Amino acid sequence: QKEVEQNSGPLSVPEGAIASLNCTYSDRGSQSFFWYRQYSGKSPELIMSIYSNGDKEDGRFTAQLNKASQYVSLLIRDSQPSDSATYLCAVNMFMDTGRRALTFGSGTRLQVQP
Amino acid sequence: GAVVSQHPSRVICKSGTSVKIECRSLDFQATTMFWYRQFPKKSLMLMATSNEGSKATYEQGVEKDKFLINHASLTLSTLTVTSAHPEDSSFYICSAPGPGTNEQFFGPGTRLTVL
Repeated sequence: QKEVEQNSGPLSVPEGAIASLNCTYSDRGSQSFFWYRQYSGKSPELIMSIYSNGDKEDGRFTAQLNKASQYVSLLIRDSQPSDSATYLCAVNMFMDTGRRALTFGSGTRLQVQP
Repeated sequence: GAVVSQHPSRVICKSGTSVKIECRSLDFQATTMFWYRQFPKKSLMLMATSNEGSKATYEQGVEKDKFLINHASLTLSTLTVTSAHPEDSSFYICSAPGPGTNEQFFGPGTRLTVL
């Protein structure tokens, strides 16, 4: 079974700190990786995409990918209370239908304490 | 990013009735759209892939006769929950890949409550 694993949390960090969110995936052939933010009762919002090994930075967010270890992470610098949400890791995998589609992890709930 | 809309945002219906949910790509064309379901405190589960001009592709365990999908045009996909039951109550979300990218953009979701 192809899976995406995340620690459900909650991960609690003080305002201004760095939040580190981690994700592992089972499909070694995956090439596309995404981080989404989901506020309670809302749909997911794309934060970052990453396709190559290494780091990708966008503002306060840095995505890190290590395909050999099948590991993706998201760092949030200078965390703000408004960053409090559930962060979903998504990996483009082959589904049972033989087509590629996003498989989501269960999400990590982040709480930023003022 | 690309904008995807959904209608209605919230629907309450009686058991046994059918409910139609629309998903539209507002500023781009989408030959493929995806339908997800999310139960409380759970992650998104892909139900089916909607394909313009051909039949939808359903994931394992999803009843195609119960969840009817029609991709009527390059900007519209619909999901009809037929003979809805309380266990179908969930948050239904559609997505579409942005133009020239494989990044998925999500609609705002439809909260279905079946009484």
